Amino acid sequence: EAGVAQSPRYKIIEKRQSVAFWCNPISGHATLYWYQQILGQGPKLLIQFQNNGVVDDSQLPKDRFSAERLKGVDSTLKIQPAKLEDSAVYLCASSLEYQGLNEQFFGPGTRLTVL
Amino acid sequence: EDQVTQSPEALRLQEGESSSLNCSYTVSGLRGLFWYRQDPGKGPEFLFTLYSAGEEKEKERLKATLTKKESFLHITAPKPEDSATYLCAVLGDYKLSFGAGTTVTVRA
Repeated sequence: EAGVAQSPRYKIIEKRQSVAFWCNPISGHATLYWYQQILGQGPKLLIQFQNNGVVDDSQLPKDRFSAERLKGVDSTLKIQPAKLEDSAVYLCASSLEYQGLNEQFFGPGTRLTVL
Repeated sequence: EDQVTQSPEALRLQEGESSSLNCSYTVSGLRGLFWYRQDPGKGPEFLFTLYSAGEEKEKERLKATLTKKESFLHITAPKPEDSATYLCAVLGDYKLSFGAGTTVTVRA
């Protein structure tokens, strides 16, 4: 079974530039998550989708971050404009259902460095 | 807001030297406690889910236990391949809140 795919794996940009990350979840998984993991910390949920609807985006900095999940499958996360403090690993995860009781399967992450 | 605190931050073990990792939590209505393993440069990998106090689960050299305020991950006779960061997460309503993790290094 193919796992969660993410691209790119690494990205280096200057502050105030824009960047986008892509995620393809496990086939059949209705729920998709984007997490931010700063070095030395645990993952922090940014946004959760159930199919193509948003379940929770309470911790998404909406002035600069946006995310979409068209057709309930692939998802993109965008940062515009980036700040130094956005340097982190961005993890995508998927699960069978949205209530959280099922395990989440994580992708390898995208490491973002903002200079 | 749900809070998860893991200790110690780092643990260095000799191969075969058993030890325990602690995860203390504050959550309004615990629906589940999860343990994940994260290797450098990779996403977290699921290990266990515990649902109620008194529950225990085992997998190879790992054993997780749960009380009303904390969970322990016991590593018995660890091997170098058990070196990783172990993350604890609690499920309140429907989202996971993660701790910062414990980085375990096992020397041969």
